[in-house]
Amino acid sequence: GQQLNQSPQSMFIQEGEDVSMNCTSSSIFNTWLWYKQDPGEGPVLLIALYKAGELTSNGRLTAQFGITRKDSFLNISASIPSDVGIYFCAGQLGGSQGNLIFGKGTKLSVKP
Amino acid sequence: NAGVTQTPKFRILKIGQSMTLQCTQDMNHNYMYWYRQDPGMGLKLIYYSVGAGITDKGEVPNGYNVSRSTTEDFPLRLELAAPSQTSVYFCASRSGTNVLTFGAGSRLTVL
Repeated sequence: GQQLNQSPQSMFIQEGEDVSMNCTSSSIFNTWLWYKQDPGEGPVLLIALYKAGELTSNGRLTAQFGITRKDSFLNISASIPSDVGIYFCAGQLGGSQGNLIFGKGTKLSVKP
Repeated sequence: NAGVTQTPKFRILKIGQSMTLQCTQDMNHNYMYWYRQDPGMGLKLIYYSVGAGITDKGEVPNGYNVSRSTTEDFPLRLELAAPSQTSVYFCASRSGTNVLTFGAGSRLTVL
């Protein structure tokens, strides 16, 4: 099936540092979404991107929809301990009834 | 609004037993989904539904069944539980946009 390559798999950073993670694919996507999952919970939407080149911020989070429509990145600035969790990218292919394909996740650990 | 509610949160099954994971949403969403999440593997789509009475297979449907008799409910049934079905299961729903709202998950262990 279709695949999204999400990297890095995990990150261990110091509080206050900036974080960057990305997803790439060989397929073209119509939509990119970024979710965060806290331990024992379901994923929660952080940012949704709908147009190639779109750059969207949500507080300390910034995400971009790549110009080629095959990639997206998520940046977190000035990380804090509550940023800990697993971050997932998800993309929607055209004509797939809205079904999303998820990356394998980036596990973020923040050291106070 | 409760959003997407899943029950049970935890369950242990013996090989060969059957069970149903319940999912209900109170947002009047047409689209509902069942995913499974295995460590380091992201979310895999099991089954989905675009409306009451309509269901379709996702990427990993084998060993599962679903039904959608109402807009609100989308139960997932395991008929003959196998160790490979040990996982965390997430139900999700959406309206016309692509944004999924997830439940809190059901952790299933098959021994």
